[in-house]
Amino acid sequence: AQSVSQHNHHVILSEAASLELGCNYSYGGTVNLFWYVQYPGQHLQLLLKYFSGDPLVKGIKGFEAEFIKSKFSFNLRKPSVQWSDTAEYFCAVTVRRSNTGKLIFGQGTTLQVKP
Amino acid sequence: NAGVTQTPKFRVLKTGQSMTLLCAQDMNHEYMYWYRQDPGMGLRLIHYSVGEGTTAKGEVPDGYNVSRLKKQNFLLGLESAAPSQTSVYFCASSTGTSNTEAFFGQGTRLTVV
Repeated sequence: AQSVSQHNHHVILSEAASLELGCNYSYGGTVNLFWYVQYPGQHLQLLLKYFSGDPLVKGIKGFEAEFIKSKFSFNLRKPSVQWSDTAEYFCAVTVRRSNTGKLIFGQGTTLQVKP
Repeated sequence: NAGVTQTPKFRVLKTGQSMTLLCAQDMNHEYMYWYRQDPGMGLRLIHYSVGEGTTAKGEVPDGYNVSRLKKQNFLLGLESAAPSQTSVYFCASSTGTSNTEAFFGQGTRLTVV
């Protein structure tokens, strides 16, 4: 079965520090890749997505992610975090050939940014 | 444009009670999903629907039933609630085409005591 693994469960950073959250998936076929963010008490919002083309994708709020097919990875990065980035971050994939759009989520990473 | 709306937002149930969670979307999406979110486990798919009148089981379907009588609505039912069903429930919808994203509702926090 397909699975998604996020390496960091809880990350604490100071403002202006750089961020990298790891995400790996297990599936040999073609996938669509997503990062969602959940601010405290809110619903999931899409940060960025990768379907095809340039493996470096840019999302909202200065986030970016790089798809490395050979490593089955889709790591999220931000050069300088802000206090408002405190949230939970989820990596997710869909399997293209399934035609169901079912999202398979990682366990989530809680990011705490200290002012 | 409301997007995906879930009703109710909060609920406390006693063990054995039943309830229905309603999800409504106004984006004319074909596909709809119910997920549950538990600490340290991400979101797990309960049931989903690829069109009006169709439903299918997801990863954790036991104890839940669903119906999609109208395209815009996807109902999640708990016939006999158990404490293990204490969770935050999210509904999502998508167009169902190959390269598309899902849109999520605000969530329903359910506590079963």
